[in-house]
Formats: sequence, C-alpha cells, structure tokens
Amino acid sequence: DAKTTQPNSMESNEEEPVHLPCNHSTISGTDYIHWYRQLPSQGPEYVIHGLTSNVNNRMASLAIAEDRKSSTLILHRATLRDAAVYYCILSPPNDYKLSFGAGTTVTVRA
Amino acid sequence: DTGVSQDPRHKITKRGQNVTFRCDPISEHNRLYWYRQTLGQGPEFLTYFQNEAQLEKSRLLSDRFSAERPKGSFSTLEIQRTEQGDSAMYLCASSSSYEQFFGPGTRLTVL
Repeated sequence: DAKTTQPNSMESNEEEPVHLPCNHSTISGTDYIHWYRQLPSQGPEYVIHGLTSNVNNRMASLAIAEDRKSSTLILHRATLRDAAVYYCILSPPNDYKLSFGAGTTVTVRA
Repeated sequence: DTGVSQDPRHKITKRGQNVTFRCDPISEHNRLYWYRQTLGQGPEFLTYFQNEAQLEKSRLLSDRFSAERPKGSFSTLEIQRTEQGDSAMYLCASSSSYEQFFGPGTRLTVL
C-alpha cells in the first residue's frame, strides 16, 4: 500500500488559515486522496477527497500537486472546533477500507 | 436516522471473558466496517461487509475475533477469550459510496 507522511503536529491561531501537508511519493495513478479528521473522543469524520484536480467543499479545500506526490488540506479560517487529528489516506479505486496513519494533531489558539 | 450507533459505549471485562459489540449503520448503507484504535494511534482496519457478505479481513483479526452482519443490517463483533492487548476503542463505520460515517466507538478495557 502506498504510504503517506504527515507532520506530527501543527498550531494555528483562530480565524487564520491552516495548511496541512501530506507527502505520498509512492502514490499510484489511480489512488484517491482522502482526508478525515478525528475530534477528541469522537470517531473520525470525512473532510474531503480528490484524485487529480483541486477540490473545494464547505469544510476545506484540497490542493493536489501536479505530479500527485503531495497534497495540502487547507482550512480557510480555523476555529476552535477544528482542533483535531487530521489524517491523509490513499486508497485505490474499489478498495473501500481506510488505512490510517498517525495523522497531524492540529491545535488552534484562541 | 441520526447516524451510526454502537452499543455498548464502554465495556470492562476480565481477561479470558468473551465480549460482543453491536453496530447499527445508517439504514441505506450497504457497506459496514470495523476498525480498532489504540491510544495515540490512528484507527486500524479489521474487517468489512458488503450487505451480509464479509469481503475482507485484516491479518490483525485473530481467530478469537469474529464478525457477522446477518441480513445486511446491524453487525456484531465478538472477541473470545479476551486478552489485555485487546483493550482499545472499537469503531464501526458505514458507507454507500466513498464517504465513511463513523460511530462513536466502544471502548473496551480488559483487566
């Protein structure tokens, strides 16, 4: 399985953008890039996913490098409720399981 | 339907006992997953069902673990002869497409 590398932790100030990097240099041409987050004492929740093009939704944006060897999750205006562990996950098409790594712990300062 | 539910939320048991957890997925979801999460780690995939068929099991799933999903609705995960190393959060998720919806988990403590 292709692996992802994320920083262990990141800090941000409230109402500022947060850019979470993910390296996946061994990604295959058909792997999807998923982001999930896990708030304290909760199960993970879906944030966004993409294949080649940048993606936006109400929660975040996903910027995918042209060579697809890295991607960045962008939280446009961090709030205290965005403090969580963020996971970058690769999955081949029709492989429905998620392979979580250790993720990035995001702390948001008021 | 308010989401994926799991029961119980907490279970404390003694080593060697059997435990069973239940997961009720979102009703229209045909896929159901079980994951295990230990402190400080991301969730680890255990097994998944499409409708009532168990299609994949992780190598992590020893013979003491068994999961069922009768009639493609709720699912149960049973652990026989529990060991202290089984202490973890057991998470259930369901999906009908790419997005998985997770339940709150069942925290198992084996004494």
